[in-house]
Amino acid sequence: KAGVTQTPRYLIKTRGQQVTLSCSPISGHRSVSWYQQTPGQGLQFLFEYFSETQRNKGNFPGRFSGRQFSNSRSEMNVSTLELGDSALYLCASSWGTGLNGYTFGSGTRLTVV
Amino acid sequence: LAKTTQPISMDSYEGQEVNITCSHNNIATNDYITWYQQFPSQGPRFIIQGYKTKVTNEVASLFIPADRKSSTLSLPRVSLSDTAVYYCLVGDRSSGNTPLVFGKGTRLSVIA
Repeated sequence: KAGVTQTPRYLIKTRGQQVTLSCSPISGHRSVSWYQQTPGQGLQFLFEYFSETQRNKGNFPGRFSGRQFSNSRSEMNVSTLELGDSALYLCASSWGTGLNGYTFGSGTRLTVV
Repeated sequence: LAKTTQPISMDSYEGQEVNITCSHNNIATNDYITWYQQFPSQGPRFIIQGYKTKVTNEVASLFIPADRKSSTLSLPRVSLSDTAVYYCLVGDRSSGNTPLVFGKGTRLSVIA
């Protein structure tokens, strides 16, 4: 079966712009989580959506937002980009709530210049 | 999720068995112990989960002592392709009200 698909794979944006990243989960998975990964901070949790509702939220500024559609696809948006937003953004989908059911995509590499 | 402590990094030669220990002193009764593996520029991948004693699959073994305050991920006969970051997670999450949070992990470097 198809895995978690994230688009685009690479993105270069200028400071002050906004960006939208997309995640298509595995068919049947209703939970989608987003993570930011940088060399200094590691994997940091952004937010989790379940059946179109935000279930959990990490400690990120309001510039980071997300949503989930009725087909479980999810998008995250970052407004007013800063240089520090350069990172690998990972999406994970899950069929349930256990620790072992997460499947990650390959991520979107965002570079802010 | 319960707080976990694992070594920052480890080195090993090809063909050796590697054991990565994770401490989780505050593990709760309903908590499971789960390990993920992450290769560079990829998302983490689930490798093994256990509750007590020993669990083995085609990739690794997980040893959990009776008090469950620690666990050991064992990788038999590692190869260069096992070079990755390994994350130990401990929690219940059956209610879905707490997110899946990763610590710093253990960076394993396999040397030829």
